[in-house]
Amino acid sequence: SYELTQPPSVSVSPGQTARITCSGDALPKKYAYWYQQKSGQAPVLVIYEDTKRPSGIPERFSGSSSGTMATLTISGAQVEDEADYYCYSTDSSGNHRRVFGGGTKLTVL
Amino acid sequence: EVQLVESGGGSVQPGGSLRLTCAASGFTFSSYEMNWVRQAPGKGLEWISYISSSGSTIYYADSVKGRFTISRDNAKHSLYLQMNSLRAEDTAVYYCAREAKAEGFDYWGQGTLVTVSS
Repeated sequence: SYELTQPPSVSVSPGQTARITCSGDALPKKYAYWYQQKSGQAPVLVIYEDTKRPSGIPERFSGSSSGTMATLTISGAQVEDEADYYCYSTDSSGNHRRVFGGGTKLTVL
Repeated sequence: EVQLVESGGGSVQPGGSLRLTCAASGFTFSSYEMNWVRQAPGKGLEWISYISSSGSTIYYADSVKGRFTISRDNAKHSLYLQMNSLRAEDTAVYYCAREAKAEGFDYWGQGTLVTVSS
């Protein structure tokens, strides 16, 4: 079955740049999406179609994708950005399965 | 304002059944694909099922195929998940999520907790 691989944790100091990666064999053909989930809350979309930012999401959130890796970048991370981040994409094999990465815990301190 | 409100969660014994409902408002429900996503305690997100806007196309994750059934009633603006033969590993918060063509899962409900335990 198709898998998306993320690092379990990333840690930065406030004001630093945080980068969270997501690797998957189908990413050259399929878009990556990124979701932020704070403790006890539902996920929130922060990046769609690799690089696009929904309205209301701060400009410090950006996305990129190259080859089999997508990256979520938080430039000048804030304490309030501390959360779990999940990448999401779809399988390219034609089975239409939707897949989430295992999630990355971002610590900002 | 887009709202998705799940209900129907609770405690059930292994082998039992539950039916979850997601009530949608604030948008044209019949125009959107919908999904169920779950999250076991302390674990990550797991996609479990998709249904097209008309209900004619349905997909399931292998972990629930043959046990869970997704459906929708566009006249009632509601999405459903019938869960049969429940197992301890089905214990999770179950979210419904709207799927937009470009934005993916752009709106989520707050989730409903399902606990499978004897």
